[in-house]
Parts: sequence; C-alpha cells; structure tokens
Amino acid sequence: EPEVTQTPSHQVTQMGQEVILRCVPISNHLYFYWYRQILGQKVEFLVSFYNNEISEKSEIFDDQFSVERPDGSNFTLKIRSTKLEDSAMYFCASSSQGRGPTYEQYFGPGTRLTVT
Amino acid sequence: DAKTTQPNSMESNEEEPVHLPCNHSTISGTDYIHWYRQLPSQGPEYVIHGLTSNVNNRMASLAIAEDRKSSTLILHRATLRDAAVYYCILRDRDAGNMLTFGGGTRLMVKP
Repeated sequence: EPEVTQTPSHQVTQMGQEVILRCVPISNHLYFYWYRQILGQKVEFLVSFYNNEISEKSEIFDDQFSVERPDGSNFTLKIRSTKLEDSAMYFCASSSQGRGPTYEQYFGPGTRLTVT
Repeated sequence: DAKTTQPNSMESNEEEPVHLPCNHSTISGTDYIHWYRQLPSQGPEYVIHGLTSNVNNRMASLAIAEDRKSSTLILHRATLRDAAVYYCILRDRDAGNMLTFGGGTRLMVKP
C-alpha cells in the first residue's frame, strides 16, 4: 500500500539554525500538507500546497516557514531560524483531491524536531 | 468547520465492540462527518466518513443519528492495535484544505 514517508525521523537543532524537513508524498497525489503537533497538544494545520503554490496557510505559518516541491517527488518544509517553541512533531500529508468534504488525507509518520 | 464534542477517554476490553461517540449539534446540512485516528507515535490515519447514511469499511462502521447531531464510530472487535486517539471532524462542501483536529477520544484497550 502506498504511503507518505518523512525524513529524518528525529532532528535536533540549535536555536537560530535553519532546518529542512523532507517528505515524499504518495506518488499520484497532487495536494500536499504540513501539520505539527507540540507534545501533548492538538494536531495543528500549517500549510497546504498545490500546483507549486501555497493554497492555504494558518497563522502559525509565518515568514520563518517556507515550503517547496524541489522535484517530482519531494515536498519540504523549511524553518529559517528555529525557536524553542518550534519543537514539535511535524507531519506531512498528501491527498489526490484538495477541495470539498469527501476526500481523505494520508499522513506520514512524522519528524520529531527538537530545538535546543 | 463546525464544532464537535468527544469524551476525553474511553476503555474497552480486547475483542469486544467499542462505540466512540461524537456530538455535533451545530452540524449543517452539507457537513460530512470524518473520523481519523492517531496511533501512539504515528501520524493521523483516515478511518471513515459519511453524510447521512451509516457507512461500513474494513476498519470500522459509522452510525449517524437521524437528526445528524451525533454520530458513533463502531469498532466491531477491538484489538490492542486499536488503542489510539480518535478524532471526529466535520468538513463542509466549501471546506478548504485543512483538517481541524480537536482533542479526540483516547481509547485504551485492555487485554
């Protein structure tokens, strides 16, 4: 069964450093997403991406964040200058459709980001 | 997305059915009811969705009240692997891309 993969599984970085989290969505999917989950808290939407553009973003997704699809298979989330509060589990997701109420999103296993 | 209310936690015995409730009294006529679950240390996983009629798939069944103000996710025979947080999410036809997760119900399965 096709699945979303993410690398690395755990990333430790120092405050102020840039990090890039990588995802390989399901191959025929066209819509891509990033969510995060701070330890013990809810899963929060960050951004959605379609046709090489951001289609929606939340208030969390400020100028420190960017997303990119550098080639036909990878989807990345970059945090330019990490802060302690960026420590969280980051989940990538993908879907074959992107609007309306009936499609499902497929999530990866997550990357645990620890900022020290 | 309209608001949903779920119990914080529930317990079940292995191999017994589990009924996970969700209240959504402000649901609109075009809201679909989605369920996702999150196993420990994993990403959320789609379980099932429905609009008005009850739905079955290989993972679970979804029973929707006639007035649609509540729904119940049914696991027919709970296994230890079903221990997870279960999220009930409403999505309407104008829904954007995001899924809005609440606190969900933490299901504990006892052997």
